[in-house]
Amino acid sequence: DTEVTQTPKHLVMGMTNKKSLKCEQHMGHRAMYWYKQKAKKPPELMFVYSYEKLSINESVPSRFSPECPNSSLLNLHLHALQPEDSALYLCASSLGRVSTYNEQFFGPGTRLTVL
Amino acid sequence: GQQLNQSPQSMFIQEGEDVSMNCTSSSIFNTWLWYKQDPGEGPVLLIALYKAGELTSNGRLTAQFGITRKDSFLNISASIPSDVGIYFCAGKTSYDKVIFGPGTSLSVIP
Repeated sequence: DTEVTQTPKHLVMGMTNKKSLKCEQHMGHRAMYWYKQKAKKPPELMFVYSYEKLSINESVPSRFSPECPNSSLLNLHLHALQPEDSALYLCASSLGRVSTYNEQFFGPGTRLTVL
Repeated sequence: GQQLNQSPQSMFIQEGEDVSMNCTSSSIFNTWLWYKQDPGEGPVLLIALYKAGELTSNGRLTAQFGITRKDSFLNISASIPSDVGIYFCAGKTSYDKVIFGPGTSLSVIP
């Protein structure tokens, strides 16, 4: 299995809703990432988990809450979002610190719309 | 902070033409990555470069890691319609963090 999967593909939510994005990989990767991407812009790093521990938080607002239940799964919990949070949310994974050849592989993304 | 610049910002070419795009930075990177992204999809890794001066090919794609470690280029030979998309360069600063360039949008006219 050489892919990163993300669910759902599309999500529409109100500003008072609570929802979660899910990401899964079975490549034995030990680093997993959340990115946010606005239209016609590059991906922006949000969070990095390394060996199931949060290693980087790029000053993301607390209405975004990541969780890494195990080495294959990564969640992003959403609560009280704003319309400007509408974007493509991308998950990625890589081998992790032990490898120099540490390129990141991306999932297809979740298109989030906040009304 | 660290920033990457990509040029050109966009390109319109005839099918069959060769394409060249590059990426520069004021900072040194240990790894350069080139990704292609289709609309509504995640970026797909095309080529990874690990050593200064390294020249790597993947089918019709060729990329080089600049000697100064501050730049990289990507060439596409004999373009075809499915080459359309946004090409991002990315520099890796540590094991966990990657910085993306702003992207080059490629359009191929059949």
